[in-house]
Amino acid sequence: DGGITQSPKYLFRKEGQNVTLSCEQNLNHDAMYWYRQDPGQGLRLIYYSQIVNDFQKGDIAEGYSVSREKKESFPLTVTSAQKNPTAFYLCASSIQLAKNIQYFGAGTRLSVL
Amino acid sequence: AQTVTQSQPEMSVQEAETVTLSCTYDTSESDYYLFWYKQPPSRQMILVIRQEAYKQQNATENRFSVNFQKAAKSFSLKISDSQLGDAAMYFCAYRNSRLPSGGATNKLIFGTGTLLAVQP
Repeated sequence: DGGITQSPKYLFRKEGQNVTLSCEQNLNHDAMYWYRQDPGQGLRLIYYSQIVNDFQKGDIAEGYSVSREKKESFPLTVTSAQKNPTAFYLCASSIQLAKNIQYFGAGTRLSVL
Repeated sequence: AQTVTQSQPEMSVQEAETVTLSCTYDTSESDYYLFWYKQPPSRQMILVIRQEAYKQQNATENRFSVNFQKAAKSFSLKISDSQLGDAAMYFCAYRNSRLPSGGATNKLIFGTGTLLAVQP
């Protein structure tokens, strides 16, 4: 089945530790996105990528890093510089320019130990 | 900067009844897209319906329809014949149609959501 796969579903981070959230899509989409969701707030954009080997900061990029070495994959690393990482993280993808519909994965819940 | 406002944090509806969720937005653009996404307890975001600003006709998808008032910058979602499976958080979202200069992609701008409960 075509879709977006995020793993793991739950992740725990220790103080000072970097953790990486996985996002894989087999929809042949060019653009991929990472959003953060906090209680009582809408989704906020962390990073996005329009094409392989290119990515841009979103609204809340501090403390996060990404890579886009393959079209299908857009992993997000939550670094130790992110002081409040506890949140729900959603990955999305879209066909570049056409129709502007973003499709979402099932998300990863990150908590701090 | 564009903003999206959902003024109803929570709503409740009886099964089989109709409910309307409100959304207003602010933009200086004339061409854009508006979306309603549903987030059930599984937390996966699911696209419910999409409206293109240049189209005057309101979008419909089965039991879901919108009331798009471009001049008033209002985009409400109507759910008819509500079902227990409709219980979820609903997010209104905005996206520009054209890319801004510099080639930056257009992000989705979300409201804060409305939690819909469906009573049996």
